[in-house]
Amino acid sequence: NAGVTQTPKFRVLKTGQSMTLLCAQDMNHEYMYWYRQDPGMGLRLIHYSVGEGTTAKGEVPDGYNVSRLKKQNFLLGLESAAPSQTSVYFCASSYWSQSNTEAFFGQGTRLTVV
Amino acid sequence: DQQVKQNSPSLSVQEGRISILNCDYTNSMFDYFLWYKKYPAEGPTFLISISSIKDKNEDGRFTVFLNKSAKHLSLHIVPSQPGDSAVYFCAAKKTNTGNQFYFGTGTSLTVIP
Repeated sequence: NAGVTQTPKFRVLKTGQSMTLLCAQDMNHEYMYWYRQDPGMGLRLIHYSVGEGTTAKGEVPDGYNVSRLKKQNFLLGLESAAPSQTSVYFCASSYWSQSNTEAFFGQGTRLTVV
Repeated sequence: DQQVKQNSPSLSVQEGRISILNCDYTNSMFDYFLWYKKYPAEGPTFLISISSIKDKNEDGRFTVFLNKSAKHLSLHIVPSQPGDSAVYFCAAKKTNTGNQFYFGTGTSLTVIP
């Protein structure tokens, strides 16, 4: 019962490098999200997706791109990494439902940009 | 602007006593509220939730109270146990507009044995 799996768990990048974070969920959830967690800032929504082939901006989208080519996968890309993007990144997924549902989170990716 | 706020970054409580964690929100369109618990190096895990049509929800040692007029919710843990030591995040969402979850900044709870 994997739930939400993030790859990789740790990464160190040099300023200007690019990388892609992969999120996979096996719960057939429609919605997927990318958050970043910084000290004193809580969890802030970067981008989200309401279904395969759709993406939308969250609270802090600048410097990131996302893609949802398959329902189970949600990719977060950094085209030119900056030290300000040093953070812990969490992917989450949830059902679409008229009733109330919670989001399920992955274990996180700790990214350091030097 | 932060729509969900947790004004206490940390809280220490003796084992067996009550822990009360507070959360305020600004958007009156939020209709569902959740509490998550997070241990170091792990992802947040869902703890308890409450719909805006209720003012209280209980699950074992955990109770969430919602005061819509004050735009305030709280999480009560009774009795507190050392294993409850973690960071607690309050979250809110508007069910029919994008299903986005908005999180507070978190409160670090330490339960002292």
